[in-house]
Amino acid sequence: SQQGEEDPQALSIQEGENATMNCSYKTSINNLQWYRQNSGRGLVHLILIRSNEREKHSGRLRVTLDTSKKSSSLLITASRAADTASYFCATSRLTGGGNKLTFGTGTQLKVEL
Amino acid sequence: GAGVSQSPRYKVAKRGQDVALRCDPISGHVSLFWYQQALGQGPEFLTYFQNEAQLDKSGLPSDRFFAERPEGSVSTLKIQRTQQEDSAVYLCASSLEGRGKPYEQYFGPGTRLTVT
Repeated sequence: SQQGEEDPQALSIQEGENATMNCSYKTSINNLQWYRQNSGRGLVHLILIRSNEREKHSGRLRVTLDTSKKSSSLLITASRAADTASYFCATSRLTGGGNKLTFGTGTQLKVEL
Repeated sequence: GAGVSQSPRYKVAKRGQDVALRCDPISGHVSLFWYQQALGQGPEFLTYFQNEAQLDKSGLPSDRFFAERPEGSVSTLKIQRTQQEDSAVYLCASSLEGRGKPYEQYFGPGTRLTVT
């Protein structure tokens, strides 16, 4: 079963605008990761934030994590048409079975010219 | 360098047929994961290998699903007596991590299985 949900399910913006996606999860975690999936291609890792971190930046990406609310957000600044994709948050907990990921339901982002 | 590769990329099977899906992880990656992604959903964990040892198979939906990684590199996911509900994209991922280290997982392009 999915760990959590992402909001919104779909987002359409103009090139140059910022895009914000939110993720909620249900259980305690060690880290939270964001992945991008283009149509017909595999998942690409974007950024990882550990449970003891509150904010992290990578290029045009900014991720926040609020463990008290069990939520995270991904901000993409100055969006480009090439950012059009589905975005998934994924959480992991250390278990005897390694660092398996539990994904959210995803946000479909469309960036229009 | 080469990423994770999967074959075949597309597979159509008639209900009741057996299928085998192959994953070639990145060379040297200790950990290998299989996920199942239904249309419009996020991937769901199936099973995990550390080298040749299958340490977690809690996500396999039924005993028709079987995975192996006999030499700690290539892995095969086998589905016996396929059913329509098995139709999905099957993703393989590998990572450098050993236990307790949250390294990034590298995903292959997936195998899209359609059961008719």
